[in-house]
Amino acid sequence: DADVTQTPRNRITKTGKRIMLECSQTKGHDRMYWYRQDPGLGLRLIYYSFDVKDINKGEISDGYSVSRQAQAKFSLSLESAIPNQTALYFCATRDRDTGELFFGEGSRLTVL
Amino acid sequence: AQSVTQLGSHVSVSEGALVLLRCNYSSSVPPYLFWYVQYPNQGLQLLLKYTSAATLVKGINGFEAEFKKSETSFHLTKPSAHMSDAAEYFCAVTGYGGSQGNLIFGKGTKLSVKP
Repeated sequence: DADVTQTPRNRITKTGKRIMLECSQTKGHDRMYWYRQDPGLGLRLIYYSFDVKDINKGEISDGYSVSRQAQAKFSLSLESAIPNQTALYFCATRDRDTGELFFGEGSRLTVL
Repeated sequence: AQSVTQLGSHVSVSEGALVLLRCNYSSSVPPYLFWYVQYPNQGLQLLLKYTSAATLVKGINGFEAEFKKSETSFHLTKPSAHMSDAAEYFCAVTGYGGSQGNLIFGKGTKLSVKP
């Protein structure tokens, strides 16, 4: 089983719908991240969390919210999806000693 | 502020040829630098990292990178390309020195390998 698991892997939705992307990890890391990947733009940080009570905005947090339900779970919500939120979303955990990020396999979201 | 520039959004090489993917960084403090690879329909995985120890860093699958402070560069190389190296490669720098800062990613370089 993967260390970082994202669900759903693919989702098509309509403008205005609420969407939740879920992430769970078995690496035991306290740091978790949500990134968005768009062609030609690389990865951009949406939100990150250092523990259950410590959640921080990244560079592109507008239109998104997150919830850290437990050390192992970090979910990303789009309250009212819009077409320019169509992207590939990655959850990651981070080893605090080495700085290395460990990524899930991604959730491809299409907003029509 | 820290930043990363990857020169060339697409690089094409022949099988067996040298692979050179360029990365330049900007950092006001000693950086930690990373190269990640993304194969089609997969997440990113770490190729190698520089954390202020040896300047020549060896990674998985025959890749290596050299940290050159004077040139603010961390270019990725592999002596002989293989078809399986076709992927997208991302350079990243920590937001501030050490392992604690958030990673800032470059825009990526897609590597194609021709038979």
